[in-house]
Amino acid sequence: AQKVTQAQTEISVVEKEDVTLDCVYETRDTTYYLFWYKQPPSGELVFLIRRNSFDEQNEISGRYSWNFQKSTSSFNFTITASQVVDSAVYFCALGGANNLFFGTGTRLTVIP
Amino acid sequence: GAGVSQSPRYKVAKRGQDVALRCDPISGHVSLFWYQQALGQGPEFLTYFQNEAQLDKSGLPSDRFFAERPEGSVSTLKIQRTQQEDSAVYLCASSSTGTAFPDSIYFGEGSWLTVV
Repeated sequence: AQKVTQAQTEISVVEKEDVTLDCVYETRDTTYYLFWYKQPPSGELVFLIRRNSFDEQNEISGRYSWNFQKSTSSFNFTITASQVVDSAVYFCALGGANNLFFGTGTRLTVIP
Repeated sequence: GAGVSQSPRYKVAKRGQDVALRCDPISGHVSLFWYQQALGQGPEFLTYFQNEAQLDKSGLPSDRFFAERPEGSVSTLKIQRTQQEDSAVYLCASSSTGTAFPDSIYFGEGSWLTVV
């Protein structure tokens, strides 16, 4: 069965602090993809990253970085020097054959 | 268009009414997905099209839900005899690839349905 767990329901940080959003997944597939999406109040899901199961190299994009560890089935997301515009709900998702399985999301609030 | 476009953005329906939600995917995208997102939850898969073929409809919650994509571009999600539990945001997404593991999947802003 495919499952994504985002244990942190809500996180609040003060602007400029670093914050890590946790994601743990379950799958029996040997080939799969992992995604992170940002959902601002407007409702649109904004694509942030896609990572395949064969590539465990960590990735950095500006203030965003991702840590993929197959040994612990985790795909964590860190925002460095957070900004108010980072406030949103963040979803981790596991890519199956024809669709995505989403976690329940983490609501991040960055306080000025 | 530049992104996935959905209409209407907001719909209030009386219980028992039929509704139709439209999705215009990114031009040329082969794959199209519908998701349902209840308040405070993550999106849940409803159905998947590859061009005009509906390859997976395992997520449709009941036979009141029907989706089509007759010409392989625009898609319509129809809900018959709406119930209060149908209240949710309905998200459409598209992807350029038609393989088993899709490339980046791009979402629209959703159609917010409230059944009263």
